[in-house]
Amino acid sequence: GQQLNQSPQSMFIQEGEDVSMNCTSSSIFNTWLWYKQEPGEGPVLLIALYKAGELTSNGRLTAQFGITRKDSFLNISASIPSDVGIYFCAGQLRGNMLTFGGGTRLMVKP
Amino acid sequence: DGGITQSPKYLFRKEGQNVTLSCEQNLNHDAMYWYRQDPGQGLRLIYYSQIVNDFQKGDIAEGYSVSREKKESFPLTVTSAQKNPTAFYLCASSRTGSEKLFFGSGTQLSVL
Repeated sequence: GQQLNQSPQSMFIQEGEDVSMNCTSSSIFNTWLWYKQEPGEGPVLLIALYKAGELTSNGRLTAQFGITRKDSFLNISASIPSDVGIYFCAGQLRGNMLTFGGGTRLMVKP
Repeated sequence: DGGITQSPKYLFRKEGQNVTLSCEQNLNHDAMYWYRQDPGQGLRLIYYSQIVNDFQKGDIAEGYSVSREKKESFPLTVTSAQKNPTAFYLCASSRTGSEKLFFGSGTQLSVL
């Protein structure tokens, strides 16, 4: 089946630093989504991307749909302690179920 | 407030026991899903239902069963056939055909 490789697996950064993470696939997707999961909770949708090359922002978060349709990137600018959590990418190919990446665990040092 | 409610938050299973995890939503969504989350891994789909009285197996359905008798409810039973049930279980819902899933807050299942 389809697989999503998400990297890095974990990051430990200083408050105020910018963060970049990415997700790559062996297959193309029509839709990319980014979710954030806080400890003991369910994931919450951050950004949805629908078109190759699309760049979308949500506050300090910016995500891009790769032009090959096989990758996506998420950047967080000026990180703050509440950014802590696990960030998941997910891809969908035209009505099929979502495929999730393994997650990037972000830790922020005040 | 509209949302998805999972209960209980923590559940313990004894050897050979079946346990049922509850999932209720008041978002009027037709589609509901169950995912399993293991540490360091992504979410894996167990079962999904796109309409009442119908459901399909996901990638890891063995040892699990579901029912969808009401639009609002999609309970998951972890049977004794599931030999490694310890995990965080997430229920989600969406409008039909939508890629945007709304998740509950999860149930942590552990084996005694």
